[in-house]
Amino acid sequence: QQPVQSPQAVILREGEDAVINCSSSKALYSVHWYRQKHGEAPVFLMILLKGGEQKGHEKISASFNEKKQQSSLYLTASQLSYSGTYFCGTEYGNEKLTFGTGTRLTIIP
Amino acid sequence: DTAVSQTPKYLVTQMGNDKSIKCEQNLGHDTMYWYKQDSKKFLKIMFSYNNKELIINETVPNRFSPKSPDKAHLNLHINSLELGDSAVYFCASSQDKGPSSYNSPLHFGNGTRLTVT
Repeated sequence: QQPVQSPQAVILREGEDAVINCSSSKALYSVHWYRQKHGEAPVFLMILLKGGEQKGHEKISASFNEKKQQSSLYLTASQLSYSGTYFCGTEYGNEKLTFGTGTRLTIIP
Repeated sequence: DTAVSQTPKYLVTQMGNDKSIKCEQNLGHDTMYWYKQDSKKFLKIMFSYNNKELIINETVPNRFSPKSPDKAHLNLHINSLELGDSAVYFCASSQDKGPSSYNSPLHFGNGTRLTVT
């Protein structure tokens, strides 16, 4: 069962903040976040394991709420280089990473 | 220096043909994967191998056959290609076989865009 991401697409001006959500209908063991630029491979951003922790990567951070079965990715003071499609990947205890529906982020100058 | 490399980058072929995609990783990882990304950008796992052993085999037509000659290589052979097979196929690798460890991030190859006409 595929996790659902919201919003599907968002357009920001440089310097603005964004939040991307990843929701699951089943209990999560872990959440991965990846960014894919057009015509390129997905690139790993961060992983969150059970425990509600928040991880950071430059101005990009994420949280994992086990009770709500969701994760959120926070992008602060967005830069042009943040443009791309963001995917969450979730594991349900079956050793498989199931990717979400994707969120297309466009940053304009 | 390329970590995960796949060939070819583009593959255009006619329905009914058989084709192969090759993948190699030099990261020393134990696990390799094939993912399919369709025109709507959905990324779906097809297969995974851990130390040459098949561990994930999703509901994929048996026209698709993966082969792992050693833990650094994972190839994908597709028989009797159909229009619906058109997609981008990504090879990936990770240190651990399960996604729930800090050693499990996926490292993707650059993809093979398969077009079946």
